[in-house]
Amino acid sequence: EVQLVESGGGLVQPGGSLRLSCAASGFTFSSYWMSWVRQAPGKGLEWVANVRQDGSGKNYVDSVKGRFTISRDNAKNSLYLQMNSLRAEDTAVYYCARHPFDYWGQGTLVTVSS
Amino acid sequence: DVVMTQSPLSLPVTLGQPASISCRSSQSLVHSDGNTYLNWFQQRPGQSPRRLIYKVSNRDSGVPDRFSGSGSGTDFTLKISRVEAEDVGVYYCMQGTHCPPWTFGQGTKVEIK
Repeated sequence: EVQLVESGGGLVQPGGSLRLSCAASGFTFSSYWMSWVRQAPGKGLEWVANVRQDGSGKNYVDSVKGRFTISRDNAKNSLYLQMNSLRAEDTAVYYCARHPFDYWGQGTLVTVSS
Repeated sequence: DVVMTQSPLSLPVTLGQPASISCRSSQSLVHSDGNTYLNWFQQRPGQSPRRLIYKVSNRDSGVPDRFSGSGSGTDFTLKISRVEAEDVGVYYCMQGTHCPPWTFGQGTKVEIK
């Protein structure tokens, strides 16, 4: 059974940093692109970033470029999102998803507030 | 970026009656490989999104056959033939043809009258 389990969310002050993790199981993690998708409270879905199978290719939505870094460790079947210079508008539930978006985790809430 | 526009944004439906959601893209979603990468997702209250339909009309495993997707080019539709109580939630279309970025519609909230 495919499982994606996010962790690392929490309350952080504006300008702070946070690292999200996504533990994958039930499939060959190294064979899939992986994405982070976020959802602000009461709002819709927004794709944030994705990473190629071997970690060599990465893409970001414009609003997080230069602040967020996506990475993966195929030996640990894990996906990460390093979030720096956080802003109030980054407050959201962050989901990891396997391409082509056929499996999603349960999400982890990030709240940016003073 | 491709803009995805859904209508209506709110859809009250009577149990057992059909429902239809429209999704329009700001440019054709036909990829150079001949495929059209238009997906539909369901998000029930308090749950993660779940993919229902991929490449316009292909149902995911376990998705009831009362859900169907259709369309081409820039106009797409998700239909529920007979709405059941478990279908309550928000439905999103998403394009994967002109990416990055992958872009979603605003969402359509389906509720029971």
